[in-house]
Amino acid sequence: ETGVTQTPRHLVMGMTNKKSLKCEQHLGHNAMYWYKQSAKKPLELMFVYSLEERVENNSVPSRFSPECPNSSHLFLHLHTLQPEDSALYLCASSRNQGAGYEQYFGPGTRLTVT
Amino acid sequence: RKEVEQDPGPFNVPEGATVAFNCTYSNSASQSFFWYRQDCRKEPKLLMSVYSSGNEDGRFTAQLNRASQYISLLIRDSKLSDSATYLCVVNADFNKFYFGSGTKLNVKP
Repeated sequence: ETGVTQTPRHLVMGMTNKKSLKCEQHLGHNAMYWYKQSAKKPLELMFVYSLEERVENNSVPSRFSPECPNSSHLFLHLHTLQPEDSALYLCASSRNQGAGYEQYFGPGTRLTVT
Repeated sequence: RKEVEQDPGPFNVPEGATVAFNCTYSNSASQSFFWYRQDCRKEPKLLMSVYSSGNEDGRFTAQLNRASQYISLLIRDSKLSDSATYLCVVNADFNKFYFGSGTKLNVKP
């Protein structure tokens, strides 16, 4: 399935590095999301974009910076991360934002911060 | 209190068995509900939405009980390929989606 793609699939970075995660959706959806999934924890919603406008920021530290240049692309810029930021970062999209709209996930980027 | 709670399991069942999972949610104003399955080291995949009247998709049946604030998933005639973690998702506010920690199912031959 190639509805939502993410690159890279795996990333190892040091605490002083800067990197970006990329997500692209080919479903014609208007809303995109970033989630974090840590081991033994439920998915945590980080950011929501609707029609390229950020509509939700779930108290995420500023070392995570999202960008949505158009409704098909979503980035997560990372800088000065901490080891506890190691997790699976999942991108999702839905037809529109809000209740009732099913989300479709990309394969995720497995991030390790050393 | 967690927004969404699930029994982590694992539920170990033989092939052909019927198994049911429940998920409770805390926000009575929650508007939409979903079940996802997640295979090991893979992304969550939508299994089904849960409608107020209940809905069925092949061997899978989902029910919503608003009065008691829980949703359920019933799997009949379990297959080996049903082995996965099942995630309950609740949309409690316009943009707030809460995921349960998941219930692990192992279907044994």
